[in-house]
Amino acid sequence: GAGVSQSPSNKVTEKGKDVELRCDPISGHTALYWYRQSLGQGLEFLIYFQGNSAPDKSGLPSDRFSAERTGGSVSTLTIQRTQQEDSAVYLCASSLLAGAAIPYEQYFGPGTRLTVT
Amino acid sequence: DQQVKQNSPSLSVQEGRISILNCDYTNSMFDYFLWYKKYPAEGPTFLISISSIKDKNEDGRFTVFLNKSAKHLSLHIVPSQPGDSAVYFCAASARGGSEKLVFGKGMKLTVNP
Repeated sequence: GAGVSQSPSNKVTEKGKDVELRCDPISGHTALYWYRQSLGQGLEFLIYFQGNSAPDKSGLPSDRFSAERTGGSVSTLTIQRTQQEDSAVYLCASSLLAGAAIPYEQYFGPGTRLTVT
Repeated sequence: DQQVKQNSPSLSVQEGRISILNCDYTNSMFDYFLWYKKYPAEGPTFLISISSIKDKNEDGRFTVFLNKSAKHLSLHIVPSQPGDSAVYFCAASARGGSEKLVFGKGMKLTVNP
């Protein structure tokens, strides 16, 4: 079946504008994660969903960042009033389940490269 | 405060030889460790993992070793192949609650033919 897909693949936006990034997880995966990778850095956790609820939002950098998931499937990460430091690759991952005794493998999408000018 | 550290940004080895990638962690709550491999313009792909109750896990050419007392793990690739050239990320997670992964900064492995 299809893997995790993300859109757009690239997004260039002006400082101060809002952006929406979309993630389509693997069908049947109940857990969905957002990470970002800034230049020269490792992947930084942002938020994860189990179904439509988000048990852990601890990685969201500020209140300009929000995410939602509807129907236990597609998720949207929204960044309001973008700043230059928001420039990064935003990666989405999904797994069968979260919160189990042993973590299930997370499958990553190709990412959205966001550039704020 | 980096909880997962990959101190060497790059490694170059000859085809057929062993590649050893190292990773250190500081959080003693971590009990599950993973290695991901990433090619340019693609998302990371899972390679191999190890639970803290083990000290070694092997899968084909890939072996991960865990030294809990030293808070250190390593990935061995034997024999290395040119197709192994990629960025490798070490990641860790803690049970009971969030399943978020904490990643190192990555190491670029180049295997020369």
